[in-house]
Amino acid sequence: DGGITQSPKYLFRKEGQNVTLSCEQNLNHDAMYWYRQDPGQGLRLIYYSQIVNDFQKGDIAEGYSVSREKKESFPLTVTSAQKNPTAFYLCASMTGGITEAFFGQGTRLTVV
Amino acid sequence: QKEVEQNSGPLSVPEGAIASLNCTYSDRGSQSFFWYRQYSGKSPELIMSIYSNGDKEDGRFTAQLNKASQYVSLLIRDSQPSDSATYLCAVRRGSNYKLTFGKGTLLTVNP
Repeated sequence: DGGITQSPKYLFRKEGQNVTLSCEQNLNHDAMYWYRQDPGQGLRLIYYSQIVNDFQKGDIAEGYSVSREKKESFPLTVTSAQKNPTAFYLCASMTGGITEAFFGQGTRLTVV
Repeated sequence: QKEVEQNSGPLSVPEGAIASLNCTYSDRGSQSFFWYRQYSGKSPELIMSIYSNGDKEDGRFTAQLNKASQYVSLLIRDSQPSDSATYLCAVRRGSNYKLTFGKGTLLTVNP
C-alpha cells in the first residue's frame, strides 16, 4: 500500500538530547514537509523540500534540521537548541503540479 | 498580517444545520486552496480542494473561492455529530511548494 510512514508514534526525549523523527513515503512524491502542531493550534511549517538534496526553511526552523538524500525520505532532527520541543510533529508529501498534500500519522514528542 | 487566517471558533451548530467556515489569505499569488479535517489526536485528512473562482460541491461539502477578495470558505450542509472536528484551511502559491495552514476552526455539531 502506498503512503507516508512516520516513526516512532511516540517519542520521549531528555532535555539536552537531539532526537531524529523518521518520515518515509512510497508515493513517488516530489515535495515533502514537516509541520509542528501544539495543542489547540494549527500547523506551523518547519522545513520543506521540493527535490532531493534541496530544502527550505519554513516559519519555525530554529532548533531543527533536515536532510533529503533520497526522494522517499525526509528525516527531521530536533536539536537541543529547540527550547520547547514537546509537540505533535506531522510529515506530509505532495506530487508536482496542482494537487493536495497527504499526511503521515504523526509523531508525538515529549521532553521529560 | 498572517498568511492564512481563520475564525478561531469554536463554532457550535445543531445537527442538521449548515456550518460555515471562513479563511482569508494574504498572498495574491496563491493558486491552490485546501480544506482539511482533523480529529483530535489524528493527522489531517483532505476534505476539499479548489483552484478557480466560484463554488465546488462534493456531497454535503461546498468550497467557495473568491480570489479578488482573497477569501475561501467551506459550507457543510446537514451537519452531523461526526463532522465535529478542527477544520484547517491551507494555501499554496503556484510557483512554490510552500504550503501554509491557518490555525484551524473547531466545529462542534450538537445532536
